[in-house]
Amino acid sequence: DAKTTQPTSMDCAEGRAANLPCNHSTISGNEYVYWYRQIHSQGPQYIIHGLKNNETNEMASLIITEDRKSSTLILPHATLRDTAVYYCIVIQGAQKLVFGQGTRLTINP
Amino acid sequence: DAGVTQSPTHLIKTRGQHVTLRCSPISGHKSVSWYQQVLGQGPQFIFQYYEKEERGRGNFPDRFSARQFPNYSSELNVNALLLGDSALYLCASSLADRPYGYTFGSGTRLTVV
Repeated sequence: DAKTTQPTSMDCAEGRAANLPCNHSTISGNEYVYWYRQIHSQGPQYIIHGLKNNETNEMASLIITEDRKSSTLILPHATLRDTAVYYCIVIQGAQKLVFGQGTRLTINP
Repeated sequence: DAGVTQSPTHLIKTRGQHVTLRCSPISGHKSVSWYQQVLGQGPQFIFQYYEKEERGRGNFPDRFSARQFPNYSSELNVNALLLGDSALYLCASSLADRPYGYTFGSGTRLTVV
């Protein structure tokens, strides 16, 4: 019952910005957008989350459109260690995380 | 600062057996959640515990059970193992019963033969 749509895979050159899109057209007013990533053979890692304003932390930036129907995760200067599966998740309050298939991002040297 | 610790890291069991997986959350975290990740798919929610009470359960059969102890560590038990239970079992901890800032362990790889 994932509520998001993400591209299956993406490539990005090392040192460039990686922009990962996510569509969540049925998002409701009190649902947050969360991003996690999973590097091979590790557990998922929290990246960032937001409600309606753009957010930035030491890992990434999250841009949410004004209508909140889509968002973009930006890794400003991608490195080889950013190669991972990135999950966009929409949830409300204390709901459980529902992971879809995510986007497999490959950073190329 | 220790992260989320899961044990064992790998496990091989025979069909019909039972298994107990263990999780120690980050110090101070009161919520523990369990996820199952079958190869090639995203993690699927199994249970969430907060302050030793079950706060949520995913669409898994009654063969799956869990509990949280007074020190907030947790066990996941699976009875009558099936081949389809082969997966990576992930534990995540957080301060509250909300998914903000979940920290996941590296998981237990269970193989049922």
